[in-house]
Amino acid sequence: DTGVSQNPRHKITKRGQNVTFRCDPISEHNRLYWYRQTLGQGPEFLTYFQNEAQLEKSRLLSDRFSAERPKGSFSTLEIQRTEQGDSAMYLCASSQTVDGYTFGSGTRLTVV
Amino acid sequence: GESVGLHLPTLSVQEGDNSIINCAYSNSASDYFIWYKRESGKGPQFIIDIRSNMDKRQGQRVTVLLNKTVKHLSLQIAATQPGDSAVYFCAERGTYKYIFGTGTRLKVLA
Repeated sequence: DTGVSQNPRHKITKRGQNVTFRCDPISEHNRLYWYRQTLGQGPEFLTYFQNEAQLEKSRLLSDRFSAERPKGSFSTLEIQRTEQGDSAMYLCASSQTVDGYTFGSGTRLTVV
Repeated sequence: GESVGLHLPTLSVQEGDNSIINCAYSNSASDYFIWYKRESGKGPQFIIDIRSNMDKRQGQRVTVLLNKTVKHLSLQIAATQPGDSAVYFCAERGTYKYIFGTGTRLKVLA
């Protein structure tokens, strides 16, 4: 196991298109998190899964955003009808306990 | 590559000197804190953590200090090396999530 894997690394999309990102956590980690980071800011929490259950969603996660973790392993984050303000680095993290995360390298989204 | 931290506070230190990066947190009830570093093109990387029942914790070349009275954390890096150049974030633990500060960019000068 090589850590948390995110795909794609980079995504450029036209405004109005839908995009989907994938996160593969560390295999024994049952907790999975999505964060978003924009320039000049620290990572901002989006959502949290414990196994397949989505236990918390940030108000940042508008109706255009949806995240799933269908089998409690990998997760997907979909953004519908992308807007330029969605341009950011989307980070996935996983953990086995409430302490400390392991982050992936992120997916950089650019909406043009 | 990715440009991380273009508009962040920047700390420039000479190679070999000690670095001190400061952070204020918001919730006096927070019981656990982490420092992460982020290098360009990589995700945040764990550096060191500290629980609220401690004032100080030391790792390899790094020390975290916690002052609960003023809700302040600091990260000290001894003998700063070029490989320490990165953006550093403190994070406090909430219920399910961590709340990150905006970050400080550390530049190590040769």
